[in-house]
Amino acid sequence: RKEVEQDPGPFNVPEGATVAFNCTYSNSASQSFFWYRQDCRKEPKLLMSVYSSGNEDGRFTAQLNRASQYISLLIRDSKLSDSATYLCVVNRGGATNKLIFGTGTLLAVQP
Amino acid sequence: NAGVMQNPRHLVRRRGQEARLRCSPMKGHSHVYWYRQLPEEGLKFMVYLQKENIIDESGMPKERFSAEFPKEGPSILRIQQVVRGDSAAYFCASSPERLNTEAFFGQGTRLTVV
Repeated sequence: RKEVEQDPGPFNVPEGATVAFNCTYSNSASQSFFWYRQDCRKEPKLLMSVYSSGNEDGRFTAQLNRASQYISLLIRDSKLSDSATYLCVVNRGGATNKLIFGTGTLLAVQP
Repeated sequence: NAGVMQNPRHLVRRRGQEARLRCSPMKGHSHVYWYRQLPEEGLKFMVYLQKENIIDESGMPKERFSAEFPKEGPSILRIQQVVRGDSAAYFCASSPERLNTEAFFGQGTRLTVV
């Protein structure tokens, strides 16, 4: 079983739609959580950190459920420019600062 | 404040040659990570380094691959006797001293073995 699991998609949605991505992680000792975005053939870029209390940045909302070891990302009012691969990322914490990446979920927003 | 700098951006090597990939972390960052991304696949952790120390190399192939982060200069990922299967995008990321933080990525080096 992979340490971080995501639905690979693709998610094909029309402009203006709301789309939700889910992610589960297996290591209960994981300390911190992030969503990254990767455009085709580009480097991953940090989208937002994920906190237990939930956090929002404009059209993006991230949630963390530590008991269920589950992370989510909600995108409202999708734009064409949101088309990318969204990567769920977990930091194991402890003595190592290693980030573990999910394989990503591909989002294609259609006009 | 310049971001993470990787060079070269593209590297072509013949089978059996050596590939050297360089990464200069963001200013003030002392942790460096190398990831490999095969075509149509996710990012795979390779190695985590601090200055002059390898902290975690659990993702590095046992043979032909090595990494260093010297006191002075960039981090180097070295692949000896490259094979076709080494063709991939190699991303470097850096983070500051504190733990449980995000990392910032360079633009990657695309290695093609012919």
